[in-house]
Amino acid sequence: QVQLQESGPGLVKPSETLSLTCVVSGYFISSGYYWGWIRQPPGKGLEWIGIIYQSGSTSYNPSLRSRVTISVDTSKNQFSLKLTSVTAADTAVYYCARLGGAHSSGWGFDYWGQGTLVTVSS
Amino acid sequence: QSVLTQPPSASGTPGQRVTISCSGSSSNIGSNTINWYQQLPGTAPKLLIYSNNLRPSGVPDRFSGSKSGTSASLAISGLQSEDEADYYCAAWDDSLNGPVFGGGTKLTVL
Repeated sequence: QVQLQESGPGLVKPSETLSLTCVVSGYFISSGYYWGWIRQPPGKGLEWIGIIYQSGSTSYNPSLRSRVTISVDTSKNQFSLKLTSVTAADTAVYYCARLGGAHSSGWGFDYWGQGTLVTVSS
Repeated sequence: QSVLTQPPSASGTPGQRVTISCSGSSSNIGSNTINWYQQLPGTAPKLLIYSNNLRPSGVPDRFSGSKSGTSASLAISGLQSEDEADYYCAAWDDSLNGPVFGGGTKLTVL
């Protein structure tokens, strides 16, 4: 059973950097698949942030690209998100998830973490 | 503003059939398959339908999907109270090189 768990500060000050980590269990990241971050502002819809492959290859949402870095540490079976220069608009529940393959999930996110609320406030 | 367009709300009574629409463009729904997610209150989204009309293991066959051109729809038959949730459509977007989501439809079971 694949499980994902997000961790990181729940409160970040404006203009600072938001940092989150997603630990994966039940599957080795080095075995394949893309791994991604999605966020959901309170009461709003889902927004894709970016994805990373085990090799380190990434793809980011153009609207966030200038502020986002996603990295992977296969030795710890985890991947991480950094979002710089945050504002109140970045307040959201942040989810990590596995992007399944074309045949098994139609390139959908088939396993999700429980999500972690990050509030940007001074 | 979301890339894919969904109605903000839908409703039905137990046993009814309801449909939720999703419209996009040639760079997403028009050229890739569509997925649907169900998000129960206070929980993470769950993949409900993938590749237009396929159900992951454990999803009841009351849920079905279809796609035509740059639009898609999710149908729920035999509506049950536990189906009350937010539903999101999603598709890969070739222009963005990533997935895009609809704004979500809140389904109320009356």
